[in-house]
Amino acid sequence: SYELTQPPSVSVSPGQTARITCSGDALPKRYAYWYQQKSGQAPVLVIFEDNKRPSGISERFSGSSSGTLATLTISGAQVDDEADYFCYSRDSSDTHRRVFGGGTKLTVL
Amino acid sequence: QVHLVASGGGVVQPGRSLRLSCAGSGFTFNAYGMHWVRQAPGKGLEWVALISNDGSKRYYADTVEGRFTISRDNSKNTFYLQMSSLTTEDTAIYYCAKDQGDIAAPDYWGQGILVTVSS
Repeated sequence: SYELTQPPSVSVSPGQTARITCSGDALPKRYAYWYQQKSGQAPVLVIFEDNKRPSGISERFSGSSSGTLATLTISGAQVDDEADYFCYSRDSSDTHRRVFGGGTKLTVL
Repeated sequence: QVHLVASGGGVVQPGRSLRLSCAGSGFTFNAYGMHWVRQAPGKGLEWVALISNDGSKRYYADTVEGRFTISRDNSKNTFYLQMSSLTTEDTAIYYCAKDQGDIAAPDYWGQGILVTVSS
């Protein structure tokens, strides 16, 4: 079955730029989406269709995708950005199955 | 604003069935696809199922296909997840979520409801 691969953890100091990657064979053909999940809370959509930001999401969050790699970039990371981040996409076949990456724990300290 | 409220969770024995419901408000319910996503304790998100806005298209994860059924009643602004042949592997917080469009990706999520499969 299709998989999206993320690093388990990323750590940055406040004010630095955090980059979280998501690797998947179908990403050249499929959009990537990114979700932020803080402890004990429901996920929040922060990037859709590779690089679009929903209303209300900070401009510090941006997304890009090239080949089989999608990247979430958080500029000027803040302590409040500490969370788990999940990418989401679908495979390139006609099964229409969706999949989440395994998640990346972002630590800002 | 968009509001999603799930209900129907609880403790159920292995092999038994359970039905989750999710009521939506604050948006035109029959214009959007809807998802179920689950999260086992201490684990990541797992997409479970998706239903199109009119209910004509339904898609499932490999792990639940044949055991779970997603459905919706647009007259009640509610959609459902009928779960059968439950195993301990199905223990998780189940989130209902609204799609951005018809069958794209979740944008707004409900608060989640716990399903525990245990004898």
